[in-house]
Amino acid sequence: QKEVEQDPGPLSVPEGAIVSLNCTYSNSAFQYFMWYRQYSRKGPELLMYTYSSGNKEDGRFTAQVDKSSKYISLFIRDSQPSDSATYLCAMSPTPNNNDMRFGAGTRLTVKP
Amino acid sequence: DADVTQTPRNRITKTGKRIMLECSQTKGHDRMYWYRQDPGLGLRLIYYSFDVKDINKGEISDGYSVSRQAQAKFSLSLESAIPNQTALYFCATSNGGGRVTEAFFGQGTRLTVV
Repeated sequence: QKEVEQDPGPLSVPEGAIVSLNCTYSNSAFQYFMWYRQYSRKGPELLMYTYSSGNKEDGRFTAQVDKSSKYISLFIRDSQPSDSATYLCAMSPTPNNNDMRFGAGTRLTVKP
Repeated sequence: DADVTQTPRNRITKTGKRIMLECSQTKGHDRMYWYRQDPGLGLRLIYYSFDVKDINKGEISDGYSVSRQAQAKFSLSLESAIPNQTALYFCATSNGGGRVTEAFFGQGTRLTVV
């Protein structure tokens, strides 16, 4: 069993839809949770990060962590064609990037 | 110019050949990383370095070696390339300091071993 599971999609939604992206994990030591966005032919870039459980909001994006269920989510409100990308979840038991474990990524397309 | 630059961007090589992927950064970060990305497997860490004299193995270091030539330069070598090393390779950098810091990725090197 992989430490981090993420449905690869692809996921296609119309512009303006609410998008829900999810990851599950098996390692209860994970404390730091991140979402990276990766555009085609580009490297990943950090979108959001949360520590432990709870919600974090940044504009149209909300990250949720439920440690009791070992489940994290990223919600995108009012989705735009520019949100079309692959979204990677990542998590770590420490603040160190070398301990990060990544999900496989979910490919999202937002259609105008 | 990109903060993290990888060369080459694309490479096709034959089985058994030695190949080097290079990475340079202008972010002034101490920490550098090499990852490979495969469909369905996500990003996996190959090697990382916290400073010029520090080299550490990641999850999947077998078949790879690295060299940290300077604070800004970190190269990845495949001593004898094999087809299952065909993948997208990313270099990344970050600050240290005991708190979560963003990893900055290069644009990737697409390597095909035939």
